[in-house]
Amino acid sequence: GQNIDQPTEMTATEGAIVQINCTYQTSGFNGLFWYQQHAGEAPTFLSYNVLDGLEEKGRFSSFLSRSKGYSYLLLKELQMKDSASYLCAPRGYNKLIFGAGTRLAVHP
Amino acid sequence: ETGVTQTPRHLVMGMTNKKSLKCEQHLGHNAMYWYKQSAKKPLELMFVYSLEERVENNSVPSRFSPECPNSSLLNLHLHALQPEDSALYLCASSQEDLAGETQYFGPGTRLLVL
Repeated sequence: GQNIDQPTEMTATEGAIVQINCTYQTSGFNGLFWYQQHAGEAPTFLSYNVLDGLEEKGRFSSFLSRSKGYSYLLLKELQMKDSASYLCAPRGYNKLIFGAGTRLAVHP
Repeated sequence: ETGVTQTPRHLVMGMTNKKSLKCEQHLGHNAMYWYKQSAKKPLELMFVYSLEERVENNSVPSRFSPECPNSSLLNLHLHALQPEDSALYLCASSQEDLAGETQYFGPGTRLLVL
């Protein structure tokens, strides 16, 4: 079957670091995407991992372990504008499968 | 961001109405998608078009009818919808032959069925 598990909600303080975990099971695997979605807006692409390891892109980093079916998104130096939902989306044989998303609230 | 546009942005319709959602991508991509996003639920893939041909139809009720006039345009025709069809409908596009094949989303149409 296909399943994606990520926390429903997280809170963090401005300037801090937060890690959003995602575990997945898919039929086939062709990489994993992370998207950010602000309330009422479209998802926007953050990162893509196809090989094991850490991909760093500014304040955001994403990690993948294919053998464990596990990924995380790391957000550093949090800003208020980072308050959003973060969607984990592994790619199966021919389509993305989206998790329900993690709603992150950043407080002053 | 104007890579993928959708109209209308908001739509209210009765259960007997017929309406259409429109999506246009300006990225030169060869694949387009319709997703449904209900409150607190994951994005649900509805339809996939690749090179203007439908390649995926995820058991979507026939009251939703997609149409792909060309590689840049994707419509979703709505007829006899139910209140539970109220949701955010998102269009996306991607380039299938690129590694990673990132999908880029439009702003969505917020649909309310009364």
